[in-house]
Amino acid sequence: KAGVTQTPRYLIKTRGQQVTLSCSPISGHRSVSWYQQTPGQGLQFLFEYFSETQRNKGNFPGRFSGRQFSNSRSEMNVSTLELGDSALYLCASSLDGRPNTEAFFGQGTRLTVV
Amino acid sequence: GESVGLHLPTLSVQEGDNSIINCAYSNSASDYFIWYKQESGKGPQFIIDIRSNMDKRQGQRVTVLLNKTVKHLSLQIAATQPGDSAVYFCADTFEAAGNKLTFGGGTRVLVKP
Repeated sequence: KAGVTQTPRYLIKTRGQQVTLSCSPISGHRSVSWYQQTPGQGLQFLFEYFSETQRNKGNFPGRFSGRQFSNSRSEMNVSTLELGDSALYLCASSLDGRPNTEAFFGQGTRLTVV
Repeated sequence: GESVGLHLPTLSVQEGDNSIINCAYSNSASDYFIWYKQESGKGPQFIIDIRSNMDKRQGQRVTVLLNKTVKHLSLQIAATQPGDSAVYFCADTFEAAGNKLTFGGGTRVLVKP
């Protein structure tokens, strides 16, 4: 079966702009989580969506937001981009989001803010 | 896991030898632990998991050990192969956290032929 698909793979944006990243989970998976990966901070949890509802949120400013659609696809949006937002953004999907169910990661979207 | 910031520990191992990667976690409420492997240009890939009611679990060439007393996790890779070269992360979570994983800083494994 197809894995987690993230689009686009690479993105270059200017400070102050906004960006939308997309994640298509594995078919049948209802939980989608987003993570930011940087060399300095490692992998940090952004938020999790389950059945179109945000179920968990990490410690990121309100400029970071997301949503999930009825087909479980998810988007995350970052407004007023800052240089420090440059990172690899990873999406993970799991069947129901319970801790003992495996989360599958996509290849990520590499965002560069200039 | 505990983030270690900029410093990414590196483990150099000879092909065929065993590798041991260590990880500390901070949340005593964590009850589910996972090891991930991340190769260059790819997302993390699940290797093995363990629940807090166990102290050891074995997979194919991998073993995870959990010591809840000192909040320590280790991953042992037997007969390390060149394809094992990657960055390895531990992650932990707990029931009420849903799918929110807390990742450690990662360890880079370099396999020498």
